[in-house]
Amino acid sequence: DVKVTQSSRYLVKRTGEKVFLECVQDMDHENMFWYRQDPGLGLRLIYFSYDVKMKEKGDIPEGYSVSREKKERFSLILESASTNQTSMYLCASLRGNTGELFFGEGSRLTVL
Amino acid sequence: EDKVVQSPLSLVVHEGDTVTLNCSYEVTNFRSLLWYKQEKKAPTFLFMLTSSGIEKKSGRLSSILDKKELFSILNITATQTGDSAIYLCAADSGGSEKLVFGKGMKLTVNP
Repeated sequence: DVKVTQSSRYLVKRTGEKVFLECVQDMDHENMFWYRQDPGLGLRLIYFSYDVKMKEKGDIPEGYSVSREKKERFSLILESASTNQTSMYLCASLRGNTGELFFGEGSRLTVL
Repeated sequence: EDKVVQSPLSLVVHEGDTVTLNCSYEVTNFRSLLWYKQEKKAPTFLFMLTSSGIEKKSGRLSSILDKKELFSILNITATQTGDSAIYLCAADSGGSEKLVFGKGMKLTVNP
């Protein structure tokens, strides 16, 4: 079975803290994505990566960075968390070039 | 700017009703239209549509794409409470492997 694992399901951080969200996929997919999901706004793409060490900005990259040192792992980094980054973060990987995304279970981040 | 619009944004029905979810899109280099169902956790894949007029079916769910009018519909017949979820529509803009998502449609099926 396809699996995308996000290491932290729930996090509570303080403003200014550095936050790491880890995502691992076991399907040897090349393309991986980070989205945030907010009520009324749907899923918005933060960053994506199409290969190891390759990354591209999505629609809302400000305040975020990413790291893809290994094919199976894609990390989202908040250098200095802010309250407006309180959200549900979803990682996904893409099967070949079919457009079928497989999502992790999400990481709900609260920034106080 | 690429966009995907879903309507309605929420719907409440009774078990046994039939519902139709709408999704219109405007994306460059359109390649496919995808539907996902999101219950409490992560979205799960339902359908991928690439050709106009060809219905995809899975049990009580079916979907079809109209590439001329740039929309897709997802039908659910004989709804059950387990169909309660957020349904997401996404368009694949083939050039960059990115999906453009709609805001989602919240379906509530009451017993």
